[in-house]
Amino acid sequence: AQSVAQPEDQVNVAEGNPLTVKCTYSVSGNPYLFWYVQYPNRGLQFLLKYITGDNLVKGSYGFEAEFNKSQTSFHLKKPSALVSDSALYFCAVRAPDSNYQLIWGAGTKLIIKP
Amino acid sequence: EAQVTQNPRYLITVTGKKLTVTCSQNMNHEYMSWYRQDPGLGLRQIYYSMNVEVTDKGDVPEGYKVSRKEKRNFPLILESPSPNQTSLYFCASSLVGRRTDTQYFGPGTRLTVL
Repeated sequence: AQSVAQPEDQVNVAEGNPLTVKCTYSVSGNPYLFWYVQYPNRGLQFLLKYITGDNLVKGSYGFEAEFNKSQTSFHLKKPSALVSDSALYFCAVRAPDSNYQLIWGAGTKLIIKP
Repeated sequence: EAQVTQNPRYLITVTGKKLTVTCSQNMNHEYMSWYRQDPGLGLRQIYYSMNVEVTDKGDVPEGYKVSRKEKRNFPLILESPSPNQTSLYFCASSLVGRRTDTQYFGPGTRLTVL
């Protein structure tokens, strides 16, 4: 079965330190990979996506993600965390032969402490 | 401004009382979808629509109905709500044509069924 795993329910990082939010997937073929962020009382916002090409993808708000095909991972990263980055982060995957349906991870709560 | 709107944002109701959550998008998107978000489960798709008069079941369609009579609107109907439908609901839309296109989300509707 196709699935997406975000192994950490919560990640705590001090402001100014680098952050990583992990995502691994199990999808056949070459999937399309997405990260979305949900701020409190808001809908989900698109951060970045990997389609093909360079394994390092840059997105909004200084975030980037690294695609690793051999490890089937797509970890979200930021060199220097801000308190305003505190939010719920979702990884999602779409199989290339899918009907536009996204497979979602359970979400990771990111807490940045001053 | 390009957006997806949902109404109401908050709703408390009682078991068995029919309700409708509206969703509207102004981006001329063909694809629309309803999700529910529950803690630890991520987003689960309820129904989706590829275009006007074309709808299909997602992963958790039981207890829900949808219709797509106009391109911009995709209401979610709960004919006889039950407490297990207490959840946070999101509507999303995207273009159809490339599976790489991102989804745009509404602000969410928090539903409580007593």
